[in-house]
Amino acid sequence: GQQLNQSPQSMFIQEGEDVSMNCTSSSIFNTWLWYKQDPGEGPVLLIALYKAGELTSNGRLTAQFGITRKDSFLNISASIPSDVGIYFCAGRIRDDKIIFGKGTRLHILP
Amino acid sequence: DGGITQSPKYLFRKEGQNVTLSCEQNLNHDAMYWYRQDPGQGLRLIYYSQIVNDFQKGDIAEGYSVSREKKESFPLTVTSAQKNPTAFYLCASSASGRIWTGELFFGEGSRLTVL
Repeated sequence: GQQLNQSPQSMFIQEGEDVSMNCTSSSIFNTWLWYKQDPGEGPVLLIALYKAGELTSNGRLTAQFGITRKDSFLNISASIPSDVGIYFCAGRIRDDKIIFGKGTRLHILP
Repeated sequence: DGGITQSPKYLFRKEGQNVTLSCEQNLNHDAMYWYRQDPGQGLRLIYYSQIVNDFQKGDIAEGYSVSREKKESFPLTVTSAQKNPTAFYLCASSASGRIWTGELFFGEGSRLTVL
């Protein structure tokens, strides 16, 4: 079946550093979604991408829909303590099917 | 406020007992979903429903059952046939039709621990 390979699995960074994570697949997606999950909570949508090549920002977050439609990346600039959590990419293959990556756990060192 | 409400947030059960997790939404969304989350495994789809009185199996439906008698409600039953039921369960919904964007809105989750 279709799979999303999300990397890295975890990151340890200093506050103020920039962060980059990505998702790749052998399948083509129509939509890419990036979610953040705080401990013990449900994921919250950060950015949605609908067109190949699309670059979208949401505050300090920037995400791109890869031109091949098989990948996407998320960048976070100038990280702050509240950025800690698990970031998931998700891709929509057809109207009723969305699959998720395994997540990138972001840790910020004091 | 519009949103998705899952209950209970924490649930402990003995092995062999069936458990039902509640999911209610007031977003007027047609589609609802149940995901299971295990550490390091991401989110895996259990069941989903596009309309009332219809639902489809996801990737890991064995040992689970659902119903969709009302648009607002999509309860999940974890049966005794589920071999490893301890997990964090997430319910989600999305709009459909012309306003559908593919975005899922999640509840806060229910953590089930089987003793």
